[in-house]
Amino acid sequence: EPEVTQTPSHQVTQMGQEVILRCVPISNHLYFYWYRQILGQKVEFLVSFYNNEISEKSEIFDDQFSVERPDGSNFTLKIRSTKLEDSAMYFCASREGTDTQYFGPGTRLTVL
Amino acid sequence: GEDVEQSLFLSVREGDSSVINCTYTDSSSTYLYWYKQEPGAGLQLLTYIFSNMDMKQDQRLTVLLNKKDKHLSLRIADTQTGDSAIYFCADSINSYQKVTFGTGTKLQVIP
Repeated sequence: EPEVTQTPSHQVTQMGQEVILRCVPISNHLYFYWYRQILGQKVEFLVSFYNNEISEKSEIFDDQFSVERPDGSNFTLKIRSTKLEDSAMYFCASREGTDTQYFGPGTRLTVL
Repeated sequence: GEDVEQSLFLSVREGDSSVINCTYTDSSSTYLYWYKQEPGAGLQLLTYIFSNMDMKQDQRLTVLLNKKDKHLSLRIADTQTGDSAIYFCADSINSYQKVTFGTGTKLQVIP
């Protein structure tokens, strides 16, 4: 069964560094999403992306964040200058048409 | 959706039924989901129900929806130790907009 994959599974970085989290959505999916889950808290929506542009973003998704689909298979989330409070599990999701969103296994980001 | 609330913890004995409850506030929610998250793992979609349905059954899982009260429940029959996980209730207005998650209910199954 096709799956959303994410790399790396765990990323450790120093505060102020840039990180790029990578996702490979399911191949025929056209809609892409990022969510995050701070430890012990709710899963929160960050951004949705379709047709090479952002469809919707939350107030969490400020200028430090950006998303890109650099080629036909990858979907990335970049955090320009990480802060301690960016430490969280980041989930990518993708969707085809009117189907539901399928989530990847997540990348745990630890900012020191 | 706007807000989704769940109780934080449920403990059941193996073989019993588990019922996890959820309330949501957005009356325009069309999709209502249940996700399972095992320790250190991602979000697994267990099942979902459309807002025009009252009930959906899928093997050991039964979802009940009371749209008037904005109440959703997930019943797991014959609960097994492998069902121990965090269960998230979630909703969305349509399939392409964001999914709003509840706080998650940690299900502990006692052998």
